[in-house]
Amino acid sequence: GENVEQHPSTLSVQEGDSAVIKCTYSDSASNYFPWYKQELGKRPQLIIDIRSNVGEKKDQRIAVTLNKTAKHFSLHITETQPEDSAVYFCAAVTEGSQGNLIFGKGTKLSVKP
Amino acid sequence: ETGVTQTPRHLVMGMTNKKSLKCEQHLGHNAMYWYKQSAKKPLELMFVYSLEERVENNSVPSRFSPECPNSSHLFLHLHTLQPEDSALYLCASSQDWGLGTDTQYFGPGTRLTVL
Repeated sequence: GENVEQHPSTLSVQEGDSAVIKCTYSDSASNYFPWYKQELGKRPQLIIDIRSNVGEKKDQRIAVTLNKTAKHFSLHITETQPEDSAVYFCAAVTEGSQGNLIFGKGTKLSVKP
Repeated sequence: ETGVTQTPRHLVMGMTNKKSLKCEQHLGHNAMYWYKQSAKKPLELMFVYSLEERVENNSVPSRFSPECPNSSHLFLHLHTLQPEDSALYLCASSQDWGLGTDTQYFGPGTRLTVL
């Protein structure tokens, strides 16, 4: 079945710097890759997603890139702000998982003012 | 923020107790999910209901028993739990199930502690 690896597990950056979180997946049939943000004590919320027919997607300071050949996808946050501090989860979906999300372990991002 | 609600938000129970977690979604979705979130582990999918029918049961111990009486409500009945079952239990819903590309909306979770 699908396996999703996420790195790093923790990331600390200065306010204004960029942050990059990377995920790899095992099933080449994976076709949908969402990213969720979970602030402390709150629920996970979708922040951006990408489908396998697209290489990059941007939404203001957030972007996701997908390399299907290498089977990895990355979250890029530019001009980080303290409110970006949270745990970020990547996920992948394949037909083999019957449409169920397979999550990475999460990355705890800390943005220092 | 109020699209998916869960009660209670916190629950402490002994190993011999029986309790239930409740989830309600106000989004008109057809699919509902239970996840377990433990520290330093990926979110673990436990159960999926689509149109009130259970479509996924990921080798979850029988001490966890789901119930979906209608498309808006989902319960997780708990009995004779173990301390290692302590975790955050998240409910989620999506418009449909099967394609996997529908956004899942999560509830705030129930923090469960088993003594």
